[in-house]
Amino acid sequence: SQQGEEDPQALSIQEGENATMNCSYKTSINNLQWYRQNSGRGLVHLILIRSNEREKHSGRLRVTLDTSKKSSSLLITASRAADTASYFCATDARGAQKLVFGQGTRLTINP
Amino acid sequence: ETGVTQSPTHLIKTRGQQVTLRCSSQSGHNTVSWYQQALGQGPQFIFQYYREEENGRGNFPPRFSGLQFPNYSSELNVNALELDDSALYLCASSLGQANEKLFFGSGTQLSVL
Repeated sequence: SQQGEEDPQALSIQEGENATMNCSYKTSINNLQWYRQNSGRGLVHLILIRSNEREKHSGRLRVTLDTSKKSSSLLITASRAADTASYFCATDARGAQKLVFGQGTRLTINP
Repeated sequence: ETGVTQSPTHLIKTRGQQVTLRCSSQSGHNTVSWYQQALGQGPQFIFQYYREEENGRGNFPPRFSGLQFPNYSSELNVNALELDDSALYLCASSLGQANEKLFFGSGTQLSVL
């Protein structure tokens, strides 16, 4: 079963615009991570935010975490064609020996 | 590019057969996790190995089994293949038991006919 649910399932924007993806989860977590996957290949780790953090930045990425609402968002600013991929949130739930992934958001950047 | 390699990249089997997938973890990593990803879905956790011991298992039947070797490479074995086993199988390595920053291989695409 999936812990995280991403919203929207698919997003198409123009190059240069900002892209925002949301993730909701169900249980208490140690951390929440975002991964990118190109064309059904391996996933690449983008950023990790711990349960005691509210916001984190890495380059053009900004992640927020609201543990009271059990939700997170990933913002990609000034999008590029190379950002076209599927994006997954993954939660490290307390007491679990695994990362649980959501179903992902398919992001398409149109030139 | 991560240092995690998986073989083979593609595999076609028939129902009832057995398959072994292999994974070499990134240098210095002692934990390997296996995931199954069906088309259009997120990865589903199969199991994790830490220092050659199973360290957690997802909701998969016993015909899914694994091994981790002293050099921390790993195998995933699936017996009595079913059509629904068709998927991308992903291996990820990490350091320690904390699930922070997994490094994924490119996966093995398994088709069961």
